Amino acid sequence: DTAVSQTPKYLVTQMGNDKSIKCEQNLGHDTMYWYKQDSKKFLKIMFSYNNKELIINETVPNRFSPKSPDKAHLNLHINSLELGDSAVYFCASSQGGVQFYGYTFGSGTRLTVV
Amino acid sequence: GNSVTQMEGPVTLSEEAFLTINCTYTATGYPSLFWYVQYPGEGLQLLLKATKADDKGSNKGFEATYRKETTSFHLEKGSVQVSDSAVYFCALSDNNGNKLVFGAGTILRVKS
Repeated sequence: DTAVSQTPKYLVTQMGNDKSIKCEQNLGHDTMYWYKQDSKKFLKIMFSYNNKELIINETVPNRFSPKSPDKAHLNLHINSLELGDSAVYFCASSQGGVQFYGYTFGSGTRLTVV
Repeated sequence: GNSVTQMEGPVTLSEEAFLTINCTYTATGYPSLFWYVQYPGEGLQLLLKATKADDKGSNKGFEATYRKETTSFHLEKGSVQVSDSAVYFCALSDNNGNKLVFGAGTILRVKS
């Protein structure tokens, strides 16, 4: 049983297209996150939801829109894809304050925009 | 805001060598500190953590001690294996407990 699962694992698409990445966790955690990892491995937080409520919305182009239908799911929709959106996107979840348990990460979605 | 600085990589070692990866932090308040490991093609996995000053986190032969006086959380292992080759991330919690802030990551390569 995968704790935090993301689909798809790989996504290759053309500039200008719209795509979605899905994330599901079966840990019963209240909080979920999206991070972007660039080619130099740098991790940048994008969004966080706690019990379906948006609590972190970093400086991200408004082409990126998260949606959380319930606390076990957090999806990321990207409009009008650009070359610079190519990266690995990680979903993560946590329970309670992160200072106690940290995150559980998914295995990532590698997005390539051509 | 809180931030983390890690030593730049890549770090290349021979099998059974001693490993140190330096991590220093800047924070107001009392953050928790973490080390995560990312194996090729995988997500990040929690390696160890420490939630208060002088705590030592340890797992799989790795250890790190939360040093408030030097604002450091250096990762050490006495004898590395080829299978330890990965990217290691130091992280700390923000003051609200809402998120983790990650360092830039350090690539470790272990040769047989």
